[in-house]
Amino acid sequence: GAVVSQHPSWVICKSGTSVKIECRSLDFQATTMFWYRQFPKQSLMLMATSNEGSKATYEQGVEKDKFLINHASLTLSTLTVTSAHPEDSSFYICSARGGSVGETQYFGPGTRLLVL
Amino acid sequence: GQNIDQPTEMTATEGAIVQINCTYQTSGFNGLFWYQQHAGEAPTFLSYNVLDGLEEKGRFSSFLSRSKGYSYLLLKELQMKDSASYLCAVMDSNYQLIWGAGTKLIIKP
Repeated sequence: GAVVSQHPSWVICKSGTSVKIECRSLDFQATTMFWYRQFPKQSLMLMATSNEGSKATYEQGVEKDKFLINHASLTLSTLTVTSAHPEDSSFYICSARGGSVGETQYFGPGTRLLVL
Repeated sequence: GQNIDQPTEMTATEGAIVQINCTYQTSGFNGLFWYQQHAGEAPTFLSYNVLDGLEEKGRFSSFLSRSKGYSYLLLKELQMKDSASYLCAVMDSNYQLIWGAGTKLIIKP
């Protein structure tokens, strides 16, 4: 099956610091990657969609200067939370689709971010 | 607007069968997905339907009626580990996934 990894699994950081989260498709080439955020007991919220080699498309209300997305290759996308604040504490999940897996999105295991 | 409706919560007994319904109204249709999400974990893919009918995969089956804008996920021989949220998602004409809020399934012994 299609495997997507995320790193790190857990991040605890001080307010004002930046945090980078990596998302990798391990056994397929992901033409499109998605970044979601999920607060406790709430639905998945799509933050942005990124296609390899082009700028990410952000959902309404998501600050592109705060959540920097880079999709530099067909197997790697990164999300950088810049100047993180406690309200950014959440569960960040990436997903990937494309290539041999077609239109199905496969999710990474997620990254828990806690900003103190 | 685009809308996906599914029940918020359902309860079933271990060993029984449960059907989770999903109705949708979207701009275009390029398939319907079901995902399972255990508490504190990321979603995992269960099924994909793009044509009408029933797709069976082990204890799980998914049904689609495009004319009715309706799908269901059927879980048989329920096990305690099936306690999770089940997410219905529809791919619209722009190949964007529109997500339902999820159905929390509680399995009782």
